Amino acid sequence: KAGVTQTPRYLIKTRGQQVTLSCSPISGHRSVSWYQQTPGQGLQFLFEYFSETQRNKGNFPGRFSGRQFSNSRSEMNVSTLELGDSALYLCASSRGRAGGQETQYFGPGTRLLVL
Amino acid sequence: TQLLEQSPQFLSIQEGENLTVYCNSSSVFSSLQWYRQEPGEGPVLLVTVVTGGEVKKLKRLTFQFGDARKDSSLHITAAQPGDTGLYLCAGASDSSASKIIFGSGTRLSIRP
Repeated sequence: KAGVTQTPRYLIKTRGQQVTLSCSPISGHRSVSWYQQTPGQGLQFLFEYFSETQRNKGNFPGRFSGRQFSNSRSEMNVSTLELGDSALYLCASSRGRAGGQETQYFGPGTRLLVL
Repeated sequence: TQLLEQSPQFLSIQEGENLTVYCNSSSVFSSLQWYRQEPGEGPVLLVTVVTGGEVKKLKRLTFQFGDARKDSSLHITAAQPGDTGLYLCAGASDSSASKIIFGSGTRLSIRP
């Protein structure tokens, strides 16, 4: 079974631009979560999508948005990029079943550098 | 606000030595997970502990969940260079991804 894939793996943008990152979950997984990882703040939850609906949201400004398609693939968009948005953006997928503890499987991440 | 503190932040030891990494919180978690992350990759789940006092072993790695489910430890016996990486603990208060809190990580380096 293929793992979680993220594209692109590396990206360089300048301040003010916008960026779209893509995540393909493991086949059969319906939940996709996005995280931002930085040396200073560690891993922080951005949002979770399940069946094309945002199910949960972290404490990030509205410049960070996402969506999920009918095939469970997800995209994350960051508008008006700031230097502080430079980070590793990780996507994780799970089956998304209600209740109980589910294992999340992480992709390799997209490393974004904002200049 | 729930916080998970990991210690130490950095650890560099000689191959063959033993080490323990700690993950502490003032909050109670329904489960706690340990991940290892290598450079350029996403975190990989090592273990999930759900019962207070639970001990799980994975080859040379021993994981323990505190009795009160507020803390956890990871002990590595006879460390190998392949154990090098960033170790993250993550506590969950329910099944929702937004309720998973990650620790800041322990960067482990094993010198040959």
